[in-house]
Amino acid sequence: NAGVMQNPRHLVRRRGQEARLRCSPMKGHSHVYWYRQLPEEGLKFMVYLQKENIIDESGMPKERFSAEFPKEGPSILRIQQVVRGDSAAYFCASSRGRDEQFFGPGTRLTVL
Amino acid sequence: GDSVTQMEGPVTLSEEAFLTINCTYTATGYPSLFWYVQYPGEGLQLLLKATKADDKGSNKGFEATYRKETTSFHLEKGSVQVSDSAVYFCALSYSGGGADGLTFGKGTHLIIQP
Repeated sequence: NAGVMQNPRHLVRRRGQEARLRCSPMKGHSHVYWYRQLPEEGLKFMVYLQKENIIDESGMPKERFSAEFPKEGPSILRIQQVVRGDSAAYFCASSRGRDEQFFGPGTRLTVL
Repeated sequence: GDSVTQMEGPVTLSEEAFLTINCTYTATGYPSLFWYVQYPGEGLQLLLKATKADDKGSNKGFEATYRKETTSFHLEKGSVQVSDSAVYFCALSYSGGGADGLTFGKGTHLIIQP
């Protein structure tokens, strides 16, 4: 049973470009979570999604950030017009419901 | 709001030493508490958890007890190995770990020297 998959593992963007991060949950998991880890910081919760629904986006920045989890395909975290402060590791996790969250290896975003 | 505070790292120990990593929390309700471990270049893995006061979580020789009176969940291991070198995160949530975002501490980098 494959774990949570994230791609790309490393992403480099120039200021003003768009970044798209993908997350494929574990088989049988319908809940997806996105977290951001800034340098020297712990993980900060961003958003919690179920299939086709955003359940909690209390940790998402108000502008430029969006997330989706369509009926088919991976969850996408989209960052428009990236700035240097967006450079971080972005982790996705999935769960079957109220059970344990399983984490992916992360995408390391560097904004030049 | 809720928060988790961990001891600052890095923590450097010799192999077979006793380990304690302190974790305290502030919460408005009665959360579940977790310890996650992150090895270099990898995602987080759940190490252990406790869902109510006085519960003890344990795994791979690590233990932590949910102390409501001191709002603490300190991680301990009696004899550490080089392979325990990693970053350890304390976290809380109001579910069993899913269906709710986790609130993490900043992490403690543990280095075990042979």
